[in-house]
Amino acid sequence: EAAVTQSPRNKVTVTGGNVTLSCRQTNSHNYMYWYRQDTGHGLRLIHYSYGAGNLQIGDVPDGYKATRTTQEDFFLLLELASPSQTSLYFCASSARTGNYAEQFFGPGTRLTVL
Amino acid sequence: QQKVQQSPESLIVPEGGMASLNCTSSDRNVDYFWWYRQHSGKSPKMLMSIFSNGEKEEGRFTVHLNKASLHTSLHIRDSQPSDSALYLCAASRAGNTGKLIFGLGTTLQVQP
Repeated sequence: EAAVTQSPRNKVTVTGGNVTLSCRQTNSHNYMYWYRQDTGHGLRLIHYSYGAGNLQIGDVPDGYKATRTTQEDFFLLLELASPSQTSLYFCASSARTGNYAEQFFGPGTRLTVL
Repeated sequence: QQKVQQSPESLIVPEGGMASLNCTSSDRNVDYFWWYRQHSGKSPKMLMSIFSNGEKEEGRFTVHLNKASLHTSLHIRDSQPSDSALYLCAASRAGNTGKLIFGLGTTLQVQP
């Protein structure tokens, strides 16, 4: 089964703080995704990537940057964190076939912005 | 407005009973549907997918798809307490974007 890991698993920061969430997949998947999950809003796509150096804008990108440094690693950056970014963040990956490939999710990072 | 609508919002069924969950897309460009299951405190995991009209069965789980109405349903027979979870429907659009559009989910509780 595909392995996707995330770090940290929990993070507390203050308003205006800098946060970097990390994701690594070890299955040579081309596609990687960052989602946030909130009650009442479901899973929403923040950014995604087709491969190293590629970045695509998701549906809720405001306040977030992302960078895909290698095939394996995808980072989500919050440069001026706000309380509205308190959420559960999931990273996912899928194989080259894109639309028609299962997405494998990491365990999630719970971020609290005070 | 949610482009993928799920109903009911929550559902309680007795152990051994049948659970039926619904999902409809308002985006006419979707052509593939997915069902993910998310147990409490865990991450979503793909349960089943379907892109052809008709039904697909895997063990106790059956998925139906009507492409004309962009409606899919998931049926769980002989429901078990371990099936208690959030069930997420997702749709992907034609074209190789890799994006999924998720619904808000149905919370299923199976009572022993």
